[in-house]
This record gives sequence, C-alpha cells and structure tokens, in this order.
Amino acid sequence: NAGVTQTPKFQVLKTGQSMTLQCAQDMNHEYMSWYRQDPGMGLRLIHYSVGAGITDQGEVPNGYNVSRSTTEDFPLRLELAAPSQTSVYFCASSSGGPYGYTFGSGTRLTVV
Amino acid sequence: RKEVEQDPGPFNVPEGATVAFNCTYSNSASQSFFWYRQDCRKEPKLLMSVYSSGNEDGRFTAQLNRASQYISLLIRDSKLSDSATYLCVVNNGNNRLAFGKGNQVVVIP
Repeated sequence: NAGVTQTPKFQVLKTGQSMTLQCAQDMNHEYMSWYRQDPGMGLRLIHYSVGAGITDQGEVPNGYNVSRSTTEDFPLRLELAAPSQTSVYFCASSSGGPYGYTFGSGTRLTVV
Repeated sequence: RKEVEQDPGPFNVPEGATVAFNCTYSNSASQSFFWYRQDCRKEPKLLMSVYSSGNEDGRFTAQLNRASQYISLLIRDSKLSDSATYLCVVNNGNNRLAFGKGNQVVVIP
C-alpha cells in the first residue's frame, strides 16, 4: 500500500498564479483533511471531508478550495496564490475513531 | 484560549533519562486523543492513541485526565533516536483534529 500520496513535493509559484495540490489515499479511508504548518504555529486545519461529496471548512480556509469527488482523492486548489500561503501542506486520511490520521509526506510551497 | 496547548521546550534530556510532558485541551467534549511524533522536515506519524485508563507502548506511557483536561506522555530510558517533536492531538468530533504546537525533545549523549 502506498498510503497517502501528495504531489508535488516542492513548488514555487508567483503571486497570483493558481495551482492544485494533489492528494490520494489507497486505504479506503472516509475522512481526509488538509493542514498547513508554519514555524511557531503548529498544524492548522484548512479543509476536511467526511466522505465523497462532503467537505467543510477548517480553521484557515480562506484562499483555498477543495472537492471530494471520489473516496481516494482530495485535491486542494489555490486560486490566486499570495506570499502568505508560503507553507508546508500536509494531506491526511483516517478511518476514524482511535486510529488517528495517516499523513502524506507534504508539499513545500513557496509563493514569491 | 487555544484548543490544545503545549510547552514547546526544548526539553534537553540525557540519554537514558526519563522525560515527561503534558498538554491541556479546552474542549470538554473532545472524543479521542493522540500523541504524534514529527521529525524535522517530515510528516507527523502516529505514536500512540491515548485511552482513559492510560496505556503503554514499550518505553512510552500516555495518560489522560478528563476531569482536568490534560494528556501526558512519558518516555523512559531515552534514546538518541527519540529526539523529535511530540505533538498532542485532540479529536473534537467528526474527526476534526486540533494539534498542539509540539514538545521538542533533544536527547543528549
């Protein structure tokens, strides 16, 4: 099993550009989430999903969009990138309950 | 008040010693609790779930105190490989996780 796969691993964007961070899991997990991690801030929830077709906002959703058309995929869309979105982005999935989340290896995004 | 609070440290621990740290959480309805380990520039990895009765996994012991709303982690016989940041994580319902900023542990030879 591959677990949670994130692509790309690194990306540099110019302000105003758009891009999609990809996330796929092969564990048939219902729950998926996107987090960003900044120095001194810990991990903050951007968006999450409790199943295909169902998404909701987390703590810091502004500037990001998500969709969940299949159980496996949960892409994160940045429409107009801003320098404040420079961060490390983690996607994670879970079957729920006491099993916690499995994280992807992250995408390091720099917006210049 | 932040959902999950941890003292970031660093906690400098001699090899072979015991180190313990707590985190507090604000939501009394929180449903499940975890400790994650994160190495520098890597993704968080689940260390252990935390149960009300307390639980142990080798050199690691986790405790939950619902009345006082804190979770603890104890590491015995510290190894150099234990150097990492330990994240306290709380499930606030619907599998929405809230993370503390982490306790940075540095094991010194």
